[in-house]
Amino acid sequence: DTEVTQTPKHLVMGMTNKKSLKCEQHMGHRAMYWYKQKAKKPPELMFVYSYEKLSINESVPSRFSPECPNSSLLNLHLHALQPEDSALYLCASSHWTGSGANVLTFGAGSRLTVL
Amino acid sequence: ELKVEQNPLFLSMQEGKNYTIYCNYSTTSDRLYWYRQDPGKSLESLFVLLSNGAVKQEGRLMASLDTKARLSTLHITAAVHDLSATYFCAVDSPTSGTYKYIFGTGTRLKVLA
Repeated sequence: DTEVTQTPKHLVMGMTNKKSLKCEQHMGHRAMYWYKQKAKKPPELMFVYSYEKLSINESVPSRFSPECPNSSLLNLHLHALQPEDSALYLCASSHWTGSGANVLTFGAGSRLTVL
Repeated sequence: ELKVEQNPLFLSMQEGKNYTIYCNYSTTSDRLYWYRQDPGKSLESLFVLLSNGAVKQEGRLMASLDTKARLSTLHITAAVHDLSATYFCAVDSPTSGTYKYIFGTGTRLKVLA
């Protein structure tokens, strides 16, 4: 299995809702990432988990709450979002190859619309 | 703060022409990655450059790395329509026991028939 699976593909939520984005990989990768991407912009790093521990939080507002229940799963819990949080949320995983490369494998993304 | 900049940001070119995309980064790093993103899709890995002077080629695309200049190039030879996409370079740098993976500003390539 060489895929990263993200669900749902599309999500529409109101500003008072609570929802979650899910990400799963079975490649044995021990680093997992959340990125946010606005239209015509590069992916912006949000969180990095390394060996199931949160190692990087890029000063993301607390209305985004990541969780890594085990080495295969990564969640992003959403609460009280703002319309400007509407974006494509990308999950990725990576591992170090023997040659020293750290290549990301991305999921297809979850497109979030906040009304 | 790690910064990764690309130019041009947008490139419209005729089929059959050659062009180069540039990627500059602000930190010392021996590793540079190139990714491609098709409209409405996710990112896929194209090249991994792991040392100064590294050169990789795949079809009409060739990537190179100059770590002393903190510069990578992606050269397109005899462009075809299928190469139309957004291209991102990326750098990872050590932070807090892991690596921060930062993407460049992106180059949106449009190849005209």
